[in-house]
Amino acid sequence: EAQVTQNPRYLITVTGKKLTVTCSQNMNHEYMSWYRQDPGLGLRQIYYSMNVEVTDKGDVPEGYKVSRKEKRNFPLILESPSPNQTSLYFCASSSNRGRQPQHFGDGTRLSIL
Amino acid sequence: QQPVQSPQAVILREGEDAVINCSSSKALYSVHWYRQKHGEAPVFLMILLKGGEQKGHDKISASFNEKKQQSSLYLTASQLSYSGTYFCGTETPDKLIFGTGTRLQVFP
Repeated sequence: EAQVTQNPRYLITVTGKKLTVTCSQNMNHEYMSWYRQDPGLGLRQIYYSMNVEVTDKGDVPEGYKVSRKEKRNFPLILESPSPNQTSLYFCASSSNRGRQPQHFGDGTRLSIL
Repeated sequence: QQPVQSPQAVILREGEDAVINCSSSKALYSVHWYRQKHGEAPVFLMILLKGGEQKGHDKISASFNEKKQQSSLYLTASQLSYSGTYFCGTETPDKLIFGTGTRLQVFP
């Protein structure tokens, strides 16, 4: 089954404790991206990747890091999480940024205390 | 900059129609539409690639006016299952950016 898998689905942690949210897709997609969703603000892009070893900043990259060492994986790293990063996060993938549908993972709800 | 969606919220009775608009300040290559149910991931509805293009999906259709940098989503004879938040995504030369969403509620 074609899917985008995010882990964990839920995480409660404390300020400053490094964490990684994993994202993996099995569709051989080139384009992958991370979004955060906050009430009233819609989906805001954090980082995106056009292919392996190619990443670029989205609209809200501060406090986040990503890597794309393999085509299927695109982890989101919070090196020193802060409470303002409490949010719902979605990973998405597509074979083409604008001309094909984005396939979203089920989301990761992060709470930073 | 995020595209602007209007209205922010819509309340309908079953069978009524609705229009959701999406407007960008930048030239667009394509427009995406997605629906998100509460607590779930956004689900793809359709992509419009050309100026003036219209597409349909059951009783949901959309138009894309490339010159005006706008797209509209039309929901006809709404069903309870149409409830959710609708997002447009606009592709510019640089990025694919999503709007802030339109919350649609359909009541019996």
